[in-house]
Amino acid sequence: ETGVTQTPRHLVMGMTNKKSLKCEQHLGHNAMYWYKQSAKKPLELMFVYSLEERVENNSVPSRFSPECPNSSHLFLHLHTLQPEDSALYLCASSQEVGLNQPQHFGDGTRLSIL
Amino acid sequence: GENVEQHPSTLSVQEGDSAVIKCTYSDSASNYFPWYKQELGKGPQLIIDIRSNVGEKKDQRIAVTLNKTAKHFSLHITETQPEDSAVYFCAAPRGSNDYKLSFGAGTTVTVRA
Repeated sequence: ETGVTQTPRHLVMGMTNKKSLKCEQHLGHNAMYWYKQSAKKPLELMFVYSLEERVENNSVPSRFSPECPNSSHLFLHLHTLQPEDSALYLCASSQEVGLNQPQHFGDGTRLSIL
Repeated sequence: GENVEQHPSTLSVQEGDSAVIKCTYSDSASNYFPWYKQELGKGPQLIIDIRSNVGEKKDQRIAVTLNKTAKHFSLHITETQPEDSAVYFCAAPRGSNDYKLSFGAGTTVTVRA
């Protein structure tokens, strides 16, 4: 059983919808991450949180809005998405934000934009 | 920033044979190199990592070697089994003081029974 749980596993939405992705980690970690995984492309880092504070916003469009209410939960709020936003969205956590910190991934949310 | 190149993109091996995946990186200050395995419908799972103060690390049938001079590191899987079939990703930090990882594009490994 993974220590990082993501819901929903699959999501289909229209471009005008608003939805949220949820991530929960049970590892006692202090850092959490959102990645985008598209076919045939390397993982793209989107956001990084350390102790509920955002420490990285990797030039992500404002139609993606992260929220970290506590160190165990991370959300990604979606609105007015584009077809090119269809991808697998992965959440990860690590003990701390820092060098040499192994990141543990969830199984992702497969997002399809109609 | 760090540029990580991974080869080959696909690899098919006979069960019992060895599989080798190689990654090169551009930032000589990088000092941490993890490998992830991603099975269908799952997220990436860390399988082994190596730090720059060692040249090789083994864990049962998996080993990773690091050549800092040449700026490349490799994953070796011996005695491959069908359950080794997956996509494998290498990664490297974007610098000695940067926690952000740059990932390779992945290698799809198929083990033929």
